[in-house]
Amino acid sequence: LAKTTQPISMDSYEGQEVNITCSHNNIATNDYITWYQQFPSQGPRFIIQGYKTKVTNEVASLFIPADRKSSTLSLPRVSLSDTAVYYCLVGASPGGYQKVTFGTGTKLQVIP
Amino acid sequence: DTGVSQDPRHKITKRGQNVTFRCDPISEHNRLYWYRQTLGQGPEFLTYFQNEAQLEKSRLLSDRFSAERPKGSFSTLEIQRTEQGDSAMYLCASSLEQGLEGQPQHFGDGTRLSIL
Repeated sequence: LAKTTQPISMDSYEGQEVNITCSHNNIATNDYITWYQQFPSQGPRFIIQGYKTKVTNEVASLFIPADRKSSTLSLPRVSLSDTAVYYCLVGASPGGYQKVTFGTGTKLQVIP
Repeated sequence: DTGVSQDPRHKITKRGQNVTFRCDPISEHNRLYWYRQTLGQGPEFLTYFQNEAQLEKSRLLSDRFSAERPKGSFSTLEIQRTEQGDSAMYLCASSLEQGLEGQPQHFGDGTRLSIL
């Protein structure tokens, strides 16, 4: 399983763009990169997933360079409600998500 | 709401007692996963099912732990002879295996177990 490395914590002011980078040097050819958000006392919530280049949805963008050894989750114009822990995971497909490793995640604190 | 549902949300029990948790996955999802999460840590994989078959178990899943998914729908996780170290949030997730696409797991809000 590819191990991921993320900053332990980040602070940001409301309205700013936040970029959280994840390193996954040992990512395998068929691994996907997935980001989850978790609030206290709740289960992780899927944010975005990608394999290469850039993926964008209604809440975030995911940038993956050509070598795929890292990825960056971009949250546009964060609000206080974005304060949460963000996890980067890598897992193979097909059938390889059964043993995803979450790591300790990045605790994002949004400041008014 | 058609998300993953877990019951109970909280369980307090005395050391040595047995506890059972239930997970109802998203209805069309054929894969179901159990995780354990302790304070300040990310979720740790325990086991997963493909339909009713339990395909993998983590070394974290001692012989006091057993999980079932008898009809390929809901699942139960039982812990026998609970110990203080079993205190944690137990999370269930489900996903749909669909061809070659990577399908993300969808999580329930967990059962928080406290051992007195």
